Amino acid sequence: NAGVTQTPKFRVLKTGQSMTLLCAQDMNHEYMYWYRQDPGMGLRLIHYSVGEGTTAKGEVPDGYNVSRLKKQNFLLGLESAAPSQTSVYFCASSLHRGSNQPQHFGDGTRLSIL
Amino acid sequence: SQQGEEDPQALSIQEGENATMNCSYKTSINNLQWYRQNSGRGLVHLILIRSNEREKHSGRLRVTLDTSKKSSSLLITASRAADTASYFCATLDTGRRALTFGSGTRLQVQP
Repeated sequence: NAGVTQTPKFRVLKTGQSMTLLCAQDMNHEYMYWYRQDPGMGLRLIHYSVGEGTTAKGEVPDGYNVSRLKKQNFLLGLESAAPSQTSVYFCASSLHRGSNQPQHFGDGTRLSIL
Repeated sequence: SQQGEEDPQALSIQEGENATMNCSYKTSINNLQWYRQNSGRGLVHLILIRSNEREKHSGRLRVTLDTSKKSSSLLITASRAADTASYFCATLDTGRRALTFGSGTRLQVQP
């Protein structure tokens, strides 16, 4: 049982390049989330999904897109990377509805934009 | 925007001592959760306390919630070097579907 798996673990991009971060969970969770964590700060929600085929904006959605074509996968895309998107990105999932359910996190993707 | 704000930002104690971290929040909540993050890793859920609960225990962890003061505390008793990590509180605000995280407390337990 792997839990939440994020790929890649590290990536360096040049400004303007695009890339997709993949999150996969094997716990049959309905809810999935993408966060970013910057130094000295907590996690900020980028986008989330309450089920297959659904997505919703979080606190800092600009510059990112997401897709949830399969229940177990949640993809985060950067269409045109900017240095301000240098961060550590975490994916998480929770069982259902989010209320009173803990979130399970992956180990993060460390992304640097030059 | 940050909902939960932890205090202190950093805490250094000796092994065997107790560690207390506080969290304040601003709006009405359904529950409040505490997470631990070891260096270079993702967050791990520690404990959840519902808005109608006042205290909860899990092993060496004790969490209190005071909804009138919009605050919570996490107590780790008899700390160990392995407890060295950052600790975050997170709130599920009423009417929202996603957690809002605070900026965390960095705990250093000296052996």
